[in-house]
Amino acid sequence: GENVEQHPSTLSVQEGDSAVIKCTYSDSASNYFPWYKQELGKRPQLIIDIRSNVGEKKDQRIAVTLNKTAKHFSLHITETQPEDSAVYFCAAIWTGGSYIPTFGRGTSLIVHP
Amino acid sequence: NAGVTQTPKFQVLKTGQSMTLQCAQDMNHNSMYWYRQDPGMGLRLIYYSASEGTTDKGEVPNGYNVSRLNKREFSLRLESAAPSQTSVYFCASSDLRDTQYFGPGTRLTVL
Repeated sequence: GENVEQHPSTLSVQEGDSAVIKCTYSDSASNYFPWYKQELGKRPQLIIDIRSNVGEKKDQRIAVTLNKTAKHFSLHITETQPEDSAVYFCAAIWTGGSYIPTFGRGTSLIVHP
Repeated sequence: NAGVTQTPKFQVLKTGQSMTLQCAQDMNHNSMYWYRQDPGMGLRLIYYSASEGTTDKGEVPNGYNVSRLNKREFSLRLESAAPSQTSVYFCASSDLRDTQYFGPGTRLTVL
């Protein structure tokens, strides 16, 4: 089955810095890669996703890159703000099969004012 | 549009008690899922239902049962609760090849 590894488990940055979270996956069939943000005590919510026919996608201060050859994808947050503090999860899904996502274990991002 | 709703929000059980967690979605999604979330473990899939009338085991199904009552509702039952089932439970739904939408979660403590 699919295995997703996510690093780092904790990331501490100063407000205004950039933050990068990396995930690697094992199943080359995976073709959809969503990222979720979970604030303390809240539900996970989708913030950005990328499909395998795209190498990079941006949405304001957030971007995701995908390297299918190396089987890794990354979340980039620029100009971090205290409200970016949360746990971020990556996931990998094969939409042609069971469409069951495999999640990484999460990264706790702390943005210090 | 309420999205995905779950009841109850909080529950405390004694070891051996049973309970059912309820989940409903109003987005006309075919697929529904139950996850548990424990510190440092991420989201682990308990059971899922790809479509109305079907259910399948996920990564951690032991001690749980599910029912896909209709297209909208997917319940999770603990027949004999154990302290190891203390966790936060999330229900989610999706339209097959699209993203998942999560409910607000149920925080369960088993004493």
